Amino acid sequence: NAGVMQNPRHLVRRRGQEARLRCSPMKGHSHVYWYRQLPEEGLKFMVYLQKENIIDESGMPKERFSAEFPKEGPSILRIQQVVRGDSAAYFCASSQAISTGELFFGEGSRLTVL
Amino acid sequence: AQRVTQPEKLLSVFKGAPVELKCNYSYSGSPELFWYVQYSRQRLQLLLRHISRESIKGFTADLNKGETSFHLKKPFAQEEDSAMYYCALKLAGGTSYGKLTFGQGTILTVHP
Repeated sequence: NAGVMQNPRHLVRRRGQEARLRCSPMKGHSHVYWYRQLPEEGLKFMVYLQKENIIDESGMPKERFSAEFPKEGPSILRIQQVVRGDSAAYFCASSQAISTGELFFGEGSRLTVL
Repeated sequence: AQRVTQPEKLLSVFKGAPVELKCNYSYSGSPELFWYVQYSRQRLQLLLRHISRESIKGFTADLNKGETSFHLKKPFAQEEDSAMYYCALKLAGGTSYGKLTFGQGTILTVHP
């Protein structure tokens, strides 16, 4: 089991461009979470998804950010019209059961906005 | 809203010395508390959770509801314990899923 796979590991975008981050959960896991880590801060919850459903997006910025977890394929975190403040590490995690606090994390995708 | 505070960004000890990483939380209900660890060039992973009351790699943590703390302790630190440690809180109950509130993390360095 390769674990949670995230790509790209590093992404550089200019202001105004779009960023797409992908996450494949661990085999057998149907719960996906996205967290963001800004410089000098801890991880902050963004969104929780199950297949084809967004369950909780309370941590997502209201504009420019969206997430999906389609029936087939990886979960995608999409950031439109990126700004410098979007520069951060974005971590995806998955879990097998709904109530566990044990999350399995990917290695993260580091977004740099020039 | 719940909050997790790790007052020390950096903590250095010598091998064989006791170590305590502090974690305080604020939440009016009954939370579940966790410690996650990230070793160099590895992924963030669960170290231990308070409800299982287990000792992992010699580390223990006791939930003190009176002091709203969940400090991580080890009596004799080893060099391989050097890592970033995050304290995290989850609201109790099945409907809270994996929505964790993390502290800012403490970098532990164990010197030989």
